[in-house]
Amino acid sequence: AQSVTQLDSHVSVSEGTPVLLRCNYSSSYSPSLFWYVQHPNKGLQLLLKYTSAATLVKGINGFEAEFKKSETSFHLTKPSAHMSDAAEYFCVVSDLDSNYQLIWGAGTKLIIKP
Amino acid sequence: NAGVTQTPKFQVLKTGQSMTLQCAQDMNHNSMYWYRQDPGMGLRLIYYSASEGTTDKGEVPNGYNVSRLNKREFSLRLESAAPSQTSVYFCASRLGGGSTSGANVLTFGAGSRLTVL
Repeated sequence: AQSVTQLDSHVSVSEGTPVLLRCNYSSSYSPSLFWYVQHPNKGLQLLLKYTSAATLVKGINGFEAEFKKSETSFHLTKPSAHMSDAAEYFCVVSDLDSNYQLIWGAGTKLIIKP
Repeated sequence: NAGVTQTPKFQVLKTGQSMTLQCAQDMNHNSMYWYRQDPGMGLRLIYYSASEGTTDKGEVPNGYNVSRLNKREFSLRLESAAPSQTSVYFCASRLGGGSTSGANVLTFGAGSRLTVL
């Protein structure tokens, strides 16, 4: 069965410094992987998705993620954090094992220090 | 183009009361979903409807019922609310019924915050 583990419940960075949010997954098949973002008291918005094309995926607002099959990871990065990036981020996996339903990580809260 | 619309946005219930959360999408999507979100637990799937006329249980279906009224609408009912059902509920939809195609991403409503006293 597949699962998703977000390795940090909270990440705190200073504005202008790099962001790294870590995600590991388990999947028996070639998975599709997603990152969603949820700003305070808002709904969820897709940041980016990987669906077996290029392993480096670019998303909105300068975020990108790299699919590494050997490490079963799909970490989210951004070169320079902005105050508006403060939000909760969810890593999600979907594959044949789950009948293509989405399996969600517990979330990582990104805190940006001025 | 409204996307996914949920009502109500906020609701307070007493234990044992019933209520229905309404969800409608105007994107001609086939699949619709109800999730609940609790602190530290991500999103958990309650029920989903892969296509009009079908519904299936998700990870946490107990205490809930759903109705796929038509292609646009998917409602979630709490027959006898319990404090454990205090949560934020999200409705979502996507185009396909079972594919991981890149086009099949979820579109979410703004959420419904439910408190059961």
